[in-house]
Amino acid sequence: SQQGEEDPQALSIQEGENATMNCSYKTSINNLQWYRQNSGRGLVHLILIRSNEREKHSGRLRVTLDTSKKSSSLLITASRAADTASYFCATVANTGGFKTIFGAGTRLFVKA
Amino acid sequence: EPEVTQTPSHQVTQMGQEVILRCVPISNHLYFYWYRQILGQKVEFLVSFYNNEISEKSEIFDDQFSVERPDGSNFTLKIRSTKLEDSAMYFCASSWQGEEKLFFGSGTQLSVL
Repeated sequence: SQQGEEDPQALSIQEGENATMNCSYKTSINNLQWYRQNSGRGLVHLILIRSNEREKHSGRLRVTLDTSKKSSSLLITASRAADTASYFCATVANTGGFKTIFGAGTRLFVKA
Repeated sequence: EPEVTQTPSHQVTQMGQEVILRCVPISNHLYFYWYRQILGQKVEFLVSFYNNEISEKSEIFDDQFSVERPDGSNFTLKIRSTKLEDSAMYFCASSWQGEEKLFFGSGTQLSVL
């Protein structure tokens, strides 16, 4: 399957620390995206990195992509209690259809 | 900021009944999607819709499921004969381009009794 799979499944850190989440996928992709979900709510898009990019920044977020290893990482620097949420990577296969597939997610808990 | 709206927020139905979940995507978006999430589990792709037809569908999206864009604003998911295992949060999403940023609604929690 195409799905991205994140690790760790759960992560608990102190406020101010950095949080790193990893994602692996199986098929060729056009881009990889990261989303955030607060409990019981809809997903919110965080950042998109294209297959020809290696690194991208947005505020406290840093995303890397290694297409040779079919993996990506999301780094949240100087975490805050409000960053507590589930984080999902999502991949879009270059099959011509419009099918964004989500991984199982990493649950991040930031302790104040 | 424009948003995707879904109604109802909660739907309780009896097994075997038909349900219609409704969504109003962002007005200038062209691509529409349905996903579902069983409590605590991953977000599962159901179907994508573009140019008034299904673009992709998953193995979950069997003959019991259908989608429709009946007018210029609504996008609906119909489940003809609900099963207990259809209980989940259903999310609608839309995007301006097919492989780009998806905007999600807040979801409809479907409970099949």
